[in-house]
Amino acid sequence: QVQLVESGGGLVKPGGSLRLSCAASGFTLSDHYMSWIRQAPGKGLEWVSYSSRSGSTRYYADSVKGRFTISRDNDWSALYLQMDSLRAEDTAVYYCARHRSGSSLNYFYGVDVWGQGTTVTVSS
Amino acid sequence: DIQMTQSPSTLSASVGDRVTITCRASQSIGSWLAWYQQKPGKAPKLLIYMVSTLEGGVPSRFSGGGSGTEFTLTISRLQPDDFATYYCQQYNTYSLTFGGGTKVEIK
Repeated sequence: QVQLVESGGGLVKPGGSLRLSCAASGFTLSDHYMSWIRQAPGKGLEWVSYSSRSGSTRYYADSVKGRFTISRDNDWSALYLQMDSLRAEDTAVYYCARHRSGSSLNYFYGVDVWGQGTTVTVSS
Repeated sequence: DIQMTQSPSTLSASVGDRVTITCRASQSIGSWLAWYQQKPGKAPKLLIYMVSTLEGGVPSRFSGGGSGTEFTLTISRLQPDDFATYYCQQYNTYSLTFGGGTKVEIK
């Protein structure tokens, strides 16, 4: 079945780094744009970054620009989020999410598959 | 950046009620608007995309509408399973933005 499974979350000190991974199964990763979306404790959803199908086009929220890097390995059906210079305000559940089929740079049909989330806590 | 403002932030309603949630964009966003439902401890679920297109398997009591900068999600007859938090989301080439969420709770 179609599934996204995140891993790599944990406790890290301010200024530290963490790399999140997302394993995709049940579909062809290279057919889909993908996003990372986060949710701070008790707060709403915040989009973090998205990647085009090949990974050549990537966009970031202003809050993470210059600190986070999204990448993907379509051969291994994996999406990644490298997070550097972490801050307390980056504490959140991070979701890997699939853009619905047909979505592209100029078309968006929603995010139809979500992982279960991985928790990142930034604290000294 | 485009900002999305949802109202109300909390809505108290009873089973069988008709409820409407509004989402306003800081500028015109065309048709790239989606709605999600999230229950505590769970990932969000896509309900509607392209303003009014129902995702497969979503009950027909959910409907979306609007254009330009103002959009709505309506639940025609609230069911016990509908008590949750709802988010709108817009897309443009450079970003996706969520509204702040509307919690639908039992009156």
